[in-house]
Amino acid sequence: DADVTQTPRNRITKTGKRIMLECSQTKGHDRMYWYRQDPGLGLRLIYYSFDVKDINKGEISDGYSVSRQAQAKFSLSLESAIPNQTALYFCATSPGQGLSDTQYFGPGTRLTVL
Amino acid sequence: AQSVTQLGSHVSVSEGALVLLRCNYSSSVPPYLFWYVQYPNQGLQLLLKYTSAATLVKGINGFEAEFKKSETSFHLTKPSAHMSDAAEYFCAVSPSGGYQKVTFGTGTKLQVIP
Repeated sequence: DADVTQTPRNRITKTGKRIMLECSQTKGHDRMYWYRQDPGLGLRLIYYSFDVKDINKGEISDGYSVSRQAQAKFSLSLESAIPNQTALYFCATSPGQGLSDTQYFGPGTRLTVL
Repeated sequence: AQSVTQLGSHVSVSEGALVLLRCNYSSSVPPYLFWYVQYPNQGLQLLLKYTSAATLVKGINGFEAEFKKSETSFHLTKPSAHMSDAAEYFCAVSPSGGYQKVTFGTGTKLQVIP
């Protein structure tokens, strides 16, 4: 079984709709992250969380919100989706053991906003 | 501030040929450096990382990278390409000395020609 899972894997929605992307992990890691990947732009950090009570904005948080429901669950919401939020979204975790944390990625959610 | 530049968004090599993927970084403090690989329809996974120990770092699948401070480079190499190496490769940097977010490069797609 995968250690980091994301649901849904693919989603097509319309402008203005509210969308939630979910991430679950069985690795027991405290740190969780949401990234978006766009062709030619690499990965950009949206939000990150060091534990259930610690949530931080990344470099592109506008238009997004998150919820850390438990150590194992970290959800990303688009309150009112717009076409330029069409992208591949990745959840990642890290153990927080040190300063050179390796990140473990989920398989991604491909979101299309029409 | 930190940044990563990957030279070449697409690289093609013949099967059995040397793989060289270039990464130059900018960091105001000593960096930690990473190479991640993304196979089609999958999330990223760590290939190798440099954390101020040995400057030549060996990773999985026969890849290695050398940290060269004078050149601010961390190029990824493999002596002999396999078809299974076809993927997208991301270089990433994180400053040492306290948690800082990881900054990813824009990625290099490696094509292996039979």
